Amino acid sequence: AQTVTQSQPEMSVQEAETVTLSCTYDTSENNYYLFWYKQPPSRQMILVIRQEAYKQQNATENRFSVNFQKAAKSFSLKISDSQLGDTAMYFCAYYHQGGSEKLVFGKGTKLTVNP
Amino acid sequence: GAGVSQTPSNKVTEKGKYVELRCDPISGHTALYWYRQSLGQGPEFLIYFQGTGAADDSGLPNDRFFAVRPEGSVSTLKIQRTERGDSAVYLCASSARRSSGANVLTFGAGSRLTVL
Repeated sequence: AQTVTQSQPEMSVQEAETVTLSCTYDTSENNYYLFWYKQPPSRQMILVIRQEAYKQQNATENRFSVNFQKAAKSFSLKISDSQLGDTAMYFCAYYHQGGSEKLVFGKGTKLTVNP
Repeated sequence: GAGVSQTPSNKVTEKGKYVELRCDPISGHTALYWYRQSLGQGPEFLIYFQGTGAADDSGLPNDRFFAVRPEGSVSTLKIQRTERGDSAVYLCASSARRSSGANVLTFGAGSRLTVL
């Protein structure tokens, strides 16, 4: 079974600084997708960024970018110019195309952006 | 609707009672998912519907949990004889399932269930 591991339960960063959240996963599949979701106190999960495993180029969405290392099964999220509104839980998730139609989530990292 | 709607937002019940949680997905989304998120944990998969049928219910913890989606739109998660360990946030998500490409889920704000 696929597993997703987030080894940092909590992290903090100063406003305007850069922070990197770690994620590793385990799979024997070759065709899959990886996601980062943000969950603010409102509880609603918001998609931050996604990466197709077959693409070597790292995905970027404005201040958010990933470092995808397929061989190492690593998928870290970098947040640049951190803002107070980035304070939230961040979840890494895995999806296997053609397999079970479900996202597998890590346990999350609580990020606090300090003024 | 514009987003995934879940009701109630919060539900407090007593041990042994029956509860229903409702999910109204985005219009046109054929796939619907239920997840359970315990305190301090990531969401855990419960069940996945494609249309009216449960395509994968392997995450339901036991036979006290049941979900339906009779018309392929609104879904109800039903929990019988609730236990304190059922206390969690129950998240619903929907997607326009594609034959290829990423299955991007849109989540609701969840229903927080507290069993006293």
